[in-house]
Amino acid sequence: DAGITQSPRHKVTETGTPVTLRCHQTENHRYMYWYRQDPGHGLRLIHYSYGVKDTDKGEVSDGYSVSRSKTEDFLLTLESATSSQTSVYFCAISESDGNNEQFFGPGTRLTVL
Amino acid sequence: GENVEQHPSTLSVQEGDSAVIKCTYSDSASNYFPWYKQELGKRPQLIIDIRSNVGEKKDQRIAVTLNKTAKHFSLHITETQPEDSAVYFCAARDSSYKLIFGSGTRLLVRP
Repeated sequence: DAGITQSPRHKVTETGTPVTLRCHQTENHRYMYWYRQDPGHGLRLIHYSYGVKDTDKGEVSDGYSVSRSKTEDFLLTLESATSSQTSVYFCAISESDGNNEQFFGPGTRLTVL
Repeated sequence: GENVEQHPSTLSVQEGDSAVIKCTYSDSASNYFPWYKQELGKRPQLIIDIRSNVGEKKDQRIAVTLNKTAKHFSLHITETQPEDSAVYFCAARDSSYKLIFGSGTRLLVRP
């Protein structure tokens, strides 16, 4: 597996609390992505980054923000978690844009009660 | 924007038989189509991909075909084995260089 880690791997939180998920890579890849995976919906892009401090929205970005202050770290923040954000979150990296393989992290299972 | 539809949602085959999963896309500018396999509790992993300048690509027991005119592409697995049991996702790269995924196919290979 490519050098991608996610933390935490599991989290249970309450509605209204802030949550930050971390993705860390050791591959020095330029592009990083956050997806959520829900039954019947496949993988949906939340936000992505094409360089340090360069980020853009995906198809389901409402309620989420991201930051990338270093090449190796990409943070996903839920400012005020809601039950609809209960999901499995995957980080992915790629050397260039979508025309190259994306390598996925191990995932974070988030439950919002 | 790009929309990718994937069928069937579940597929059960006998070991040794072939399995075919089909996807359609909407953006005629899409030019990269990867397929990912996800085993239970694991991360998605790329198994094969195809670019729009070719119509077919093979890698041992798996192959992908692309019909640009009809805007559909398919994954073919021959001589299926129990370890092929997993969820398979197709994807298409849209005109803004993002991957749009299908909703997945759960493949069960019966011994």
